[in-house]
Amino acid sequence: GAVVSQHPSWVICKSGTSVKIECRSLDFQATTMFWYRQFPKQSLMLMATSNEGSKATYEQGVEKDKFLINHASLTLSTLTVTSAHPEDSSFYICSATALGSRTKNIQYFGAGTRLSVL
Amino acid sequence: AQKITQTQPGMFVQEKEAVTLDCTYDTSDPSYGLFWYKQPSSGEMIFLIYQGSYDQQNATEGRYSLNFQKARKSANLVISASQLGDSAMYFCAMREAYTGKLIFGQGTTLQVKP
Repeated sequence: GAVVSQHPSWVICKSGTSVKIECRSLDFQATTMFWYRQFPKQSLMLMATSNEGSKATYEQGVEKDKFLINHASLTLSTLTVTSAHPEDSSFYICSATALGSRTKNIQYFGAGTRLSVL
Repeated sequence: AQKITQTQPGMFVQEKEAVTLDCTYDTSDPSYGLFWYKQPSSGEMIFLIYQGSYDQQNATEGRYSLNFQKARKSANLVISASQLGDSAMYFCAMREAYTGKLIFGQGTTLQVKP
């Protein structure tokens, strides 16, 4: 099946530093990847749509200068949380779409990254 | 606007019994996709089952089946022969036709009792 790898799975950082999270599609090419944020016991909130070779499309209310997204290849998208603050602490999870009728354009998810900002 | 509603915040089921998790949706698009994902405490989102709006038959994947009632705009997940490992949060989602975005419901926490 389609596998999406996300690293790191857990990160602790000091306030004011930047953190980069990687999302890789291991056995398929993904022209589109999605980044979500999830608070405890809540649903997933879409942050942005990442398209290979073009700028990401951010959802309303998401600061594009704070959450930098780069989709440099068909298998890799990165999310950088810049100048992180404690309120950025959350669970971040990416997904990638396996295109094609056989795969029904299913979004497969990475394992997620728990970010704690001290 | 498109919307997914899961009205059951929490559910209990006895091991080996079947359980139905409710999901209703609202959309004006004629073409859409409906998904169910499982999220255990580890946090990963596991794809379970997919139903296309034009599919004539209800989707089935092993112990999972989707009770798709298009006129009622419902897409309930049925888990047969529940196992302890089925304890998790379950999300229903609908894919927007043009953007490919997934719209998620609020989720249902399922606990399987031994």
